[in-house]
Amino acid sequence: GAGVSQSPSNKVTEKGKDVELRCDPISGHTALYWYRQRLGQGLEFLIYFQGNSAPDKSGLPSDRFSAERTGESVSTLTIQRTQQEDSAVYLCASSLVGFRGLDQPQHFGDGTRLSIL
Amino acid sequence: ILNVEQSPQSLHVQEGDSTNFTCSFPSSNFYALHWYRWETAKSPEALFVMTLNGDEKKKGRISATLNTKEGYSYLYIKGSQPEDSATYLCAFGVNRDDKIIFGKGTRLHILP
Repeated sequence: GAGVSQSPSNKVTEKGKDVELRCDPISGHTALYWYRQRLGQGLEFLIYFQGNSAPDKSGLPSDRFSAERTGESVSTLTIQRTQQEDSAVYLCASSLVGFRGLDQPQHFGDGTRLSIL
Repeated sequence: ILNVEQSPQSLHVQEGDSTNFTCSFPSSNFYALHWYRWETAKSPEALFVMTLNGDEKKKGRISATLNTKEGYSYLYIKGSQPEDSATYLCAFGVNRDDKIIFGKGTRLHILP
């Protein structure tokens, strides 16, 4: 497709369950980013992939969060043993790599709205 | 802790008036400064990416300036239109890390 695609668009699950969120970046974009926005808060950076490696995972909020990227394409963000504070909109973005990816505009998906009951 | 501050938090502007708002960021470890427009029920859309001190960028009625030495960027909108109503986000690319830190945004409302 032409843009960044995220699925599912909405996810409601019970506390303690695992969830997997998917992001399909724009073809040819080697940089991929995950963010979350909790209610009333700003965009919180989670992780950045350059190709299929993530130079820095320290933005992930806890060890229940993990992210992978297959080749230079699809990425999945997995949250294990979900907690109510994980409820948020999770946004994915991709960009051309530039120099370390920080100097290229990011193209965002529509997000996944995650609600933990 | 690296912090990006945007002000004001919210702004109401009469249609046709011009306006501007501010993004403040740490002047050390600067790599890039991004501006995005985020309309309700849509995803953020890139406006500008600036990397050099003194950079000025323009896109139609919207322009931005960058001062990396003092750590601020201004976004200007000339002759505001209803379609300019959105949240404007700035983001700071950190030189020493592969991180981007977003501000909380300025919510702009254009009054008809």
